[in-house]
Amino acid sequence: DSGVTQTPKHLITATGQRVTLRCSPRSGDLSVYWYQQSLDQGLQFLIQYYNGEERAKGNILERFSAQQFPDLHSELNLSSLELGDSALYFCASSVDQGTYEQYFGPGTRLTVT
Amino acid sequence: AQSVTQLGSHVSVSEGALVLLRCNYSSSVPPYLFWYVQYPNQGLQLLLKYTSAATLVKGINGFEAEFKKSETSFHLTKPSAHMSDAAEYFCAVNHGGSQGNLIFGKGTKLSVKP
Repeated sequence: DSGVTQTPKHLITATGQRVTLRCSPRSGDLSVYWYQQSLDQGLQFLIQYYNGEERAKGNILERFSAQQFPDLHSELNLSSLELGDSALYFCASSVDQGTYEQYFGPGTRLTVT
Repeated sequence: AQSVTQLGSHVSVSEGALVLLRCNYSSSVPPYLFWYVQYPNQGLQLLLKYTSAATLVKGINGFEAEFKKSETSFHLTKPSAHMSDAAEYFCAVNHGGSQGNLIFGKGTKLSVKP
């Protein structure tokens, strides 16, 4: 158990819908990262937050957004969902920003039908 | 820009045999390198991390990796494979600077035959 929790574990929804994925980092970790894992794209970095502020963006679509709250949990919002958004979404946390090791949650499997 | 290449999408070994999973990196700055393991239907678990303190890094579950700057490699090894090692293994390099996001290789699926 990494100490990072993600809910829900599975999510099935229809095209055009909007969903919210939730992540609670390890106790004391200030940085949260979101990654997407799909068969064709592999593991791709989406976005990073550090202590409530956005720090870096990767291959995140404009239909996707995220935020980190004062209690440091984070939410990833995916809207206008398309079939191609079906993937595993991982949250990871680290104690600080930079080169520290990241600990991954169990992931949320999103299926768009 | 940093990148990682994992040679071999599938590797199969017999139980008790040497495990060697290859990773080559490209980085414009001194790299921070990681190996993660993903068991079916689970998240990624950190195996080990290279931070320039030592070129040979020991990780969990008997795995180790050697950083070779001249070969830009960070191969993962284990002397004797166990059935429980069957999983997918990912090599990753840290983006660098204050951002810290990981750039992953495409992964190598390890099968262990009895």
